[in-house]
Amino acid sequence: AQTVTQSQPEMSVQEAETVTLSCTYDTSENNYYLFWYKQPPSRQMILVIRQEAYKQQNATENRFSVNFQKAAKSFSLKISDSQLGDTAMYFCAFIFSGGYNKLIFGAGTRLAVHP
Amino acid sequence: NAGVTQTPKFRILKIGQSMTLQCTQDMNHNYMYWYRQDPGMGLKLIYYSVGAGITDKGEVPNGYNVSRSTTEDFPLRLELAAPSQTSVYFCASSYFIGTSNTGELFFGEGSRLTVL
Repeated sequence: AQTVTQSQPEMSVQEAETVTLSCTYDTSENNYYLFWYKQPPSRQMILVIRQEAYKQQNATENRFSVNFQKAAKSFSLKISDSQLGDTAMYFCAFIFSGGYNKLIFGAGTRLAVHP
Repeated sequence: NAGVTQTPKFRILKIGQSMTLQCTQDMNHNYMYWYRQDPGMGLKLIYYSVGAGITDKGEVPNGYNVSRSTTEDFPLRLELAAPSQTSVYFCASSYFIGTSNTGELFFGEGSRLTVL
């Protein structure tokens, strides 16, 4: 069975600083996708970044980047130049190819950005 | 485009009552899902559908039923509501055909259900 583990229930960072959120996963599949979703207080689920397992290059979206270590089954999210609007729950999630896109979520990390 | 629309956004039920959460999407996505999110937790899959007339159980299906008569609609039925079903419910959709798959799910805004 696939599992996703986020070991940091809460994190905090000062505005303009950099923060890294951790995620590990367990799977025997070789083809899969990894995601980070953001859930602000509005509870809307917002896709932050996506990584395909077959791509060695780490995905980047503006201030958000990932460190994807396939052998270690690690997928961390780095937020640079943190902004107050980054305050949210962040969920790491996993889909394996052929799995009908059924997302498996971690428990989440609550990030607070302080001025 | 409206994307994924869920109704109602809030509902309070008494123990033993039944209700249906409505979900509709206008993106012509073939896959649809229902998740629940308990306080401080990640989302767990209740049911999913890969096309009209085809549904299957997810991780936590007990106490729920679904149907998919059209591509657009995927209602979730709660029978005999229990306090353990107090949660936020999310509907989502995704598109997959052949080798074209981004894996991305599009979520509705969620429905907060309280069972007292």
